[in-house]
Amino acid sequence: ETGVTQTPRHLVMGMTNKKSLKCEQHLGHNAMYWYKQSAKKPLELMFVYSLEERVENNSVPSRFSPECPNSSHLFLHLHTLQPEDSALYLCASSQEWGSRLDTFGSGTRLTVV
Amino acid sequence: AQSVTQPDIHITVSEGASLELRCNYSYGATPYLFWYVQSPGQGLQLLLKYFSGDTLVQGIKGFEAEFKRSQSSFNLRKPSVHWSDAAEYFCAVGEPGDYKLSFGAGTTVTVRA
Repeated sequence: ETGVTQTPRHLVMGMTNKKSLKCEQHLGHNAMYWYKQSAKKPLELMFVYSLEERVENNSVPSRFSPECPNSSHLFLHLHTLQPEDSALYLCASSQEWGSRLDTFGSGTRLTVV
Repeated sequence: AQSVTQPDIHITVSEGASLELRCNYSYGATPYLFWYVQSPGQGLQLLLKYFSGDTLVQGIKGFEAEFKRSQSSFNLRKPSVHWSDAAEYFCAVGEPGDYKLSFGAGTTVTVRA
């Protein structure tokens, strides 16, 4: 265990569904991140939160909506997704924004049908 | 902007043999360099990182990497692989003072008995 916990581990959803991914860390880190990992492609940074404020949104479609209610929790709300959104979604955290990123969760494997 | 190239998509190595994974980057100054490993169904785990100083960096699980400025490379090595080293390996580059990392597309390592 890395200290970053993601749930669920696997998720299958239809294109009209609404679901949420959850990430939790109790490492005392102040920055949290969402990454998308598609097969044979480099990791894509989606969102960055620092002290619960969003500091990065990498041109991610609005069907992905992040939420960071406190420094220990990060959500990714999903709605009306497309099959090409199927991927492994990884959460990560770091001590602070600007410090080295080195703690990842195990990811949520998302399949959109 | 920096970029990362991992020339080998897939490497097969015999258990007990040595392993070298290549990583080349494109960046104007000396970047921060990282190697991560991802086992099947898991998130990324940091193996080692280079910020400055000694160009030969020791990491966990018996891995080491050498930064060669003249070749813009940061190759990962292990003298004797174990079956548990079968995984996907990612090289990443970051700019000093910036939280963003650029990842390579990864190299899959298969270990045969």
